[in-house]
Amino acid sequence: AQSVTQPDIHITVSEGASLELRCNYSYGATPYLFWYVQSPGQGLQLLLKYFSGDTLVQGIKGFEAEFKRSQSSFNLRKPSVHWSDAAEYFCAVALTSGTYKYIFGTGTRLKVLA
Amino acid sequence: DAGITQSPRHKVTETGTPVTLRCHQTENHRYMYWYRQDPGHGLRLIHYSYGVKDTDKGEVSDGYSVSRSKTEDFLLTLESATSSQTSVYFCAIQTSGSSEQFFGPGTRLTVL
Repeated sequence: AQSVTQPDIHITVSEGASLELRCNYSYGATPYLFWYVQSPGQGLQLLLKYFSGDTLVQGIKGFEAEFKRSQSSFNLRKPSVHWSDAAEYFCAVALTSGTYKYIFGTGTRLKVLA
Repeated sequence: DAGITQSPRHKVTETGTPVTLRCHQTENHRYMYWYRQDPGHGLRLIHYSYGVKDTDKGEVSDGYSVSRSKTEDFLLTLESATSSQTSVYFCAIQTSGSSEQFFGPGTRLTVL
């Protein structure tokens, strides 16, 4: 069965430090992959997506993610975290048969220390 | 902003009562989705629609029904609410020719 795993429930980093959030997926075909961010009490905002082509994708707010087929991973990175990045981050896989039903990971909550 | 609104934004109800949540979009997108968000589970798909009167079940559809009589509105109904349906409910649309989904602001539902 298809699944998405975000192994880290909580991550704490200092402002200015680099960040990597992990995402692993299980899916038979080449997936469509997404990262979303959710600030407290808000809806989800799309950070970036991967469909095909260049495996390093750039998103909004200075985030990037790298698709590694051999590791079934799509990790999110940012070179220097800002206090405003504190939020919950969700990785998702779109099942490409018919409608694009998403499977979400359970999320990683990021805390940023001043 | 993909022109998605959800109503109500907050609701408290009692076990056994019917509840209907509304998702409204202004851009005539064909695909619409209802998710629930619970701690430790991320978002899970309840139902989705691929056109007027065309709907299908998602991963956690038991206890929920949906209707879509107009392109712009997708209704989620809890026929008889239970405490296990206390959750935050998100509606999403999918833009044409793309697999990207955009989410509404959510409805926080509490079933006492």
